[in-house]
Amino acid sequence: SQQGEEDPQALSIQEGENATMNCSYKTSINNLQWYRQNSGRGLVHLILIRSNEREKHSGRLRVTLDTSKKSSSLLITASRAADTASYFCATDKGNKLVFGAGTILRVKS
Amino acid sequence: DTGVSQNPRHKITKRGQNVTFRCDPISEHNRLYWYRQTLGQGPEFLTYFQNEAQLEKSRLLSDRFSAERPKGSFSTLEIQRTEQGDSAMYLCASSRGDRADTEAFFGQGTRLTVV
Repeated sequence: SQQGEEDPQALSIQEGENATMNCSYKTSINNLQWYRQNSGRGLVHLILIRSNEREKHSGRLRVTLDTSKKSSSLLITASRAADTASYFCATDKGNKLVFGAGTILRVKS
Repeated sequence: DTGVSQNPRHKITKRGQNVTFRCDPISEHNRLYWYRQTLGQGPEFLTYFQNEAQLEKSRLLSDRFSAERPKGSFSTLEIQRTEQGDSAMYLCASSRGDRADTEAFFGQGTRLTVV
């Protein structure tokens, strides 16, 4: 079963715009991670936020975590065509990471 | 350090045949995971190794699936008597530490097509 659910399922924006993706989860977590996957490739880790953190930045990425609402958001600022990919949130559940179904982001140039 | 390596990248097999995939994790990583991903879905957990010990298996992992990690190094995933429903991308990942609270590094995956 999948712990996290991303919203929206798909997002299409123009280059230069910001993209926001949301993730909701069901049970308590120690940390939440975001990954990117280019078509047909493996996943690349973007950022990890721990349950005692509320916001984290990495370059053009900003992640927020609201444990009371069991939700997280990933903001990509000043998007580029190369940001076109699927984005997944993953939460820790025991020994493993549990992934959502992902958000497909398309950035048009 | 060349990252996580998976072989083969693609495999086409006839229904009923056995297939074996290999994963070479990052050398100092003690944790190794296998995931399966179908089109439009996120990766689904199959199994997890801490060093050479297989500590958890998903209910998705039927008795036709077996995984090993001899000596805590590379890992193999074997599927016996393949079925069309086994067609998917099989992803391997490795990480270090005692819990799933560190960055996992994924390989490029093995895409299996059962015809």
